[in-house]
Amino acid sequence: KNEVEQSPQNLTAQEGEFITINCSYSVGISALHWLQQHPGGGIVSLFMLSSGKKKHGRLIATINIQEKHSSLHITASHPRDSAVYICAVGGAQKLVFGQGTRLTINP
Amino acid sequence: ETGVTQSPTHLIKTRGQQVTLRCSSQSGHNTVSWYQQALGQGPQFIFQYYREEENGRGNFPPRFSGLQFPNYSSELNVNALELDDSALYLCASSLSIRGETQYFGPGTRLLVL
Repeated sequence: KNEVEQSPQNLTAQEGEFITINCSYSVGISALHWLQQHPGGGIVSLFMLSSGKKKHGRLIATINIQEKHSSLHITASHPRDSAVYICAVGGAQKLVFGQGTRLTINP
Repeated sequence: ETGVTQSPTHLIKTRGQQVTLRCSSQSGHNTVSWYQQALGQGPQFIFQYYREEENGRGNFPPRFSGLQFPNYSSELNVNALELDDSALYLCASSLSIRGETQYFGPGTRLLVL
């Protein structure tokens, strides 16, 4: 079993739909990261959180430390949100990544 | 734009050769981590450098080595390349080793034939 599990692995939705991507982890962490990776490889850090909830534009990330679970939500999804979303958990030295969720938003 | 650059963007090598990949971190970021991302997989931690010293290593053999320089640049060296080394190599810099936000470069895509 991987230390970081994401679901679903693939998600296709229509423009405007509310999107939820889930991440569960089995290790102790100091922070959880949500990352976005577009075709071509570049990774952008969306959120880093250790408790509660963070919001940036149409993106919302939540974390439940007791349940070792985090969710990334996208409201009013748009085709430009199409990308791979990766959950990563980290301590001081390294990040452990999930396999990623490939999101496709159709117009 | 994260302010982190990597070179080259693409590279083709043959089995047994050696390769050096380069990363230029954001100014002031004294921590750099390197990751290997195989096709369709999440990135895997190779190692981290903090103030020019290795500060942690993942499950990679010694033929993967690194250097970090005072000017916030770093290198990943891979000797005796194997076919399975074909991957996207990412570097990420951060202000310190305290698990802060990491800023990723665009990656170097290496193909070993």
